[in-house]
Amino acid sequence: SAVISQKPSRDICQRGTSLTIQCQVDSQVTMMFWYRQQPGQSLTLIATANQGSEATYESGFVIDKFPISRPNLTFSTLTVSNMSPEDSSIYLCSVGSGGNQPQHFGDGTRLSIL
Amino acid sequence: KQEVTQIPAALSVPEGENLVLNCSFTDSAIYNLQWFRQDPGKGLTSLLLIQSSQREQTSGRLNASLDKSSGRSTLYIAASQPGDSATYLCAAVSGGSNYKLTFGKGTLLTVNP
Repeated sequence: SAVISQKPSRDICQRGTSLTIQCQVDSQVTMMFWYRQQPGQSLTLIATANQGSEATYESGFVIDKFPISRPNLTFSTLTVSNMSPEDSSIYLCSVGSGGNQPQHFGDGTRLSIL
Repeated sequence: KQEVTQIPAALSVPEGENLVLNCSFTDSAIYNLQWFRQDPGKGLTSLLLIQSSQREQTSGRLNASLDKSSGRSTLYIAASQPGDSATYLCAAVSGGSNYKLTFGKGTLLTVNP
């Protein structure tokens, strides 16, 4: 399976600032996804990162708050903008090739907002 | 809208016991169902994937079953070990072009030596 590296692994940020999370995969992948896991909650899909075009966002998530880039088939970034304490979560990227292949996840970024 | 529920939320068993984790989903039109484990401070590790046309999948001491018509899946762990202690998550996969995963909240398993 693909090896997925996320940076940073954790961060503590001030309210009102922005943080960009990177996701690097060791092989070309068709699909890349970004999830959020709030404390005590299940994982929720934020968006699908599309190579060469705008990301597809799920209900409740908007591009202005969570801009996503995917310049090629091995790399994507998620920015959490104008952060507030409610954004304190684990953010995970995952990759998949579709069909009946499992999705694989990075170790996540643990984000705390003061 | 797909909703996934996992019962129990937490489970504590002695080493060597066989156990069953339950997962239910509201929309039976799934593409497949996946089971993951999440260790503290880590991401998710894929355990098993059951295609919608399958009834079960096995990997080592793990066996996952799927009953689409009733919207249920179970993960059976045989002869549990302390190293099995983790949070177990199930996720229903929708079809379509983006293969969206909808997760349950997970079952926190503790296996006591």
